[in-house]
Amino acid sequence: EVQLLESGGGLIQPGGSLRLSCAASGFTFSSHAMSWVRQAPGKGLDWVSTFSHSSGNTFYGDSVKGRFTITRDNSENTLYLQMHSLRVEDTAVYYCARRGGRDGWGAFDIWGQGTMVTVSS
Amino acid sequence: EIVLTQSPATLSLSPGERATLSCWASQSIARELAWYQQKPGQAPRLLIYDASNRATGIPARFSGSGSGTDFTLTISSLEPEDFAVYYCQQRSNWPLTFGGGTRVEIK
Repeated sequence: EVQLLESGGGLIQPGGSLRLSCAASGFTFSSHAMSWVRQAPGKGLDWVSTFSHSSGNTFYGDSVKGRFTITRDNSENTLYLQMHSLRVEDTAVYYCARRGGRDGWGAFDIWGQGTMVTVSS
Repeated sequence: EIVLTQSPATLSLSPGERATLSCWASQSIARELAWYQQKPGQAPRLLIYDASNRATGIPARFSGSGSGTDFTLTISSLEPEDFAVYYCQQRSNWPLTFGGGTRVEIK
């Protein structure tokens, strides 16, 4: 079964750091770009970051650039998101998502169940 | 940044009725648009990719159309399980962006 399982969320104070993990199974992890998408409580979906499977390039949304770092370990089939200088507005459910398609750059076809990050003092 | 505008914000319909959801892009994105369904407490689910292709396991009552800047998701006859929030998303340019969503609610 194709599956993504996030972990690492929790309550953190403003200015703090947190690392999220996403364990993938059931597919060839190294053949797909992988992303993080977040959703603040009661709000819409917000793309955070993507790690290429082909070039090693990384891409970030403006609101997290310079504070968040996406990495992946293809040997462990795991995607990570290191978050620094967290702000109250980073509070959200963070989803790990696979980009589908033959070239691995398609739509988000597989999603994890999400992990909640709460930034509050 | 490509802005996606979804309309209407809320659609109130009865089971069996036809739902038509719109998504407009601020610049041309060819056919690089996807539609997702999200129910409360659940992760989004891919319905349509590349404007008109149904994802695996998606019922035929869901269809997508459009290209360039104007896109439509149609649900031909609403089933009780279709009442949810629907998002469009473009993959044409960085940053990837989502529309604000359309809530389809029971009338």
